[in-house]
Amino acid sequence: AQSVTQLDSQVPVFEEAPVELRCNYSSSVSVYLFWYVQYPNQGLQLLLKYLSGSTLVKGINGFEAEFNKSQTSFHLRKPSVHISDTAEYFCAVSESLSGYNKLIFGAGTRLAVHP
Amino acid sequence: NAGVTQTPKFRVLKTGQSMTLLCAQDMNHEYMYWYRQDPGMGLRLIHYSVGEGTTAKGEVPDGYNVSRLKKQNFLLGLESAAPSQTSVYFCASSPRGASSGEFFGPGTRLTVL
Repeated sequence: AQSVTQLDSQVPVFEEAPVELRCNYSSSVSVYLFWYVQYPNQGLQLLLKYLSGSTLVKGINGFEAEFNKSQTSFHLRKPSVHISDTAEYFCAVSESLSGYNKLIFGAGTRLAVHP
Repeated sequence: NAGVTQTPKFRVLKTGQSMTLLCAQDMNHEYMYWYRQDPGMGLRLIHYSVGEGTTAKGEVPDGYNVSRLKKQNFLLGLESAAPSQTSVYFCASSPRGASSGEFFGPGTRLTVL
């Protein structure tokens, strides 16, 4: 079964600084990869996804992620963060369950942007 | 277009009580999911449905039942609530399964005393 490891449970960063949130998954077979964001007291919102093709994926709010098959990683980056990026971020990988794809989520990384 | 809605937003139950959480989506999606979110554990899939009239077990189905009588609704039932079921419950839907991404509701915070 697939598993997803988010290497940092919390990442503090100052406003306008760059940030990288790390994600590794367990399998090297073909997978779909996702990043979701959860703002306080809200549901999850899709930031970006990798299905195939270019390994650099651009998402909403200026985020991007790079798929690295050899390292089984899908790290999320933003060159300059804002206070409004404070949220919890979840990496997810698809897995086939009884013939249907479902998502396996990491434990989440809480990004705290300070002024 | 409301997307995915969940009812209720908050609920407190006593051990042994039963309740039903309602999820509704107006996007004509085939797939619907129920997750629970616990601190430090991310989201875990309870049950899912790949179409009207179908349901299947996810990672943590014990103590829960579901029904999908109408395409737009996915109900999650707790027959006899336990303190271990204290959690935030999220419903999600997607048009074509995981590859198309999932759309999440705002969540239901359930406390079982």
